[in-house]
Amino acid sequence: QKEVEQNSGPLSVPEGAIASLNCTYSDRGSQSFFWYRQYSGKSPELIMSIYSNGDKEDGRFTAQLNKASQYVSLLIRDSQPSDSATYLCAVNQAGTALIFGKGTTLSVSS
Amino acid sequence: DTGVSQDPRHKITKRGQNVTFRCDPISEHNRLYWYRQTLGQGPEFLTYFQNEAQLEKSRLLSDRFSAERPKGSFSTLEIQRTEQGDSAMYLCASSLVEKIPGLGISSYNSPLHFGNGTRLTVT
Repeated sequence: QKEVEQNSGPLSVPEGAIASLNCTYSDRGSQSFFWYRQYSGKSPELIMSIYSNGDKEDGRFTAQLNKASQYVSLLIRDSQPSDSATYLCAVNQAGTALIFGKGTTLSVSS
Repeated sequence: DTGVSQDPRHKITKRGQNVTFRCDPISEHNRLYWYRQTLGQGPEFLTYFQNEAQLEKSRLLSDRFSAERPKGSFSTLEIQRTEQGDSAMYLCASSLVEKIPGLGISSYNSPLHFGNGTRLTVT
């Protein structure tokens, strides 16, 4: 069974700090990796996608992928209270459905 | 681009009744997905379509659930004989999978764009 594991949290960081969110996956054939943010009562919205090993930066967000370790992470620099949400890691192979983790709840205190 | 639209936003029904939800994807997207999400959990995959073809179904999709996407446009998800355990947020998402000339379908899945969901409460 394909699985995506995340610590449920909550992860609490002070405003301005770096938040580090981690995710591991079981399917070695996975090719596409995504991070979604979900505010309470809302639907998931895409933050980052990453397809190759290494780092990918977009503004305050950096996604990191290590296929050998089956590990993907999301760093949020200069965390803001508006970043408080649940962050969902999602993984799939080409042509298959996206599998989500349970999400990590992030709380940024001002 | 008006985004993914789902209807209704909320549905309250009594156990044993049938319900049907509708999803209108982003117009140029060729893939449409249905997910279910309960409190504290990530979205759980139910099924997805490439154009009008239903390509994959989860084991979560019992025989009480059926999904269609006639003509490859909007999709409906029907739940027959609802049970209290069916109470959840039902999310629809769409994506565009591009064909690479000479190579066929892209090896990588494009990101999913979600609708606002239909919240089902079974009493």
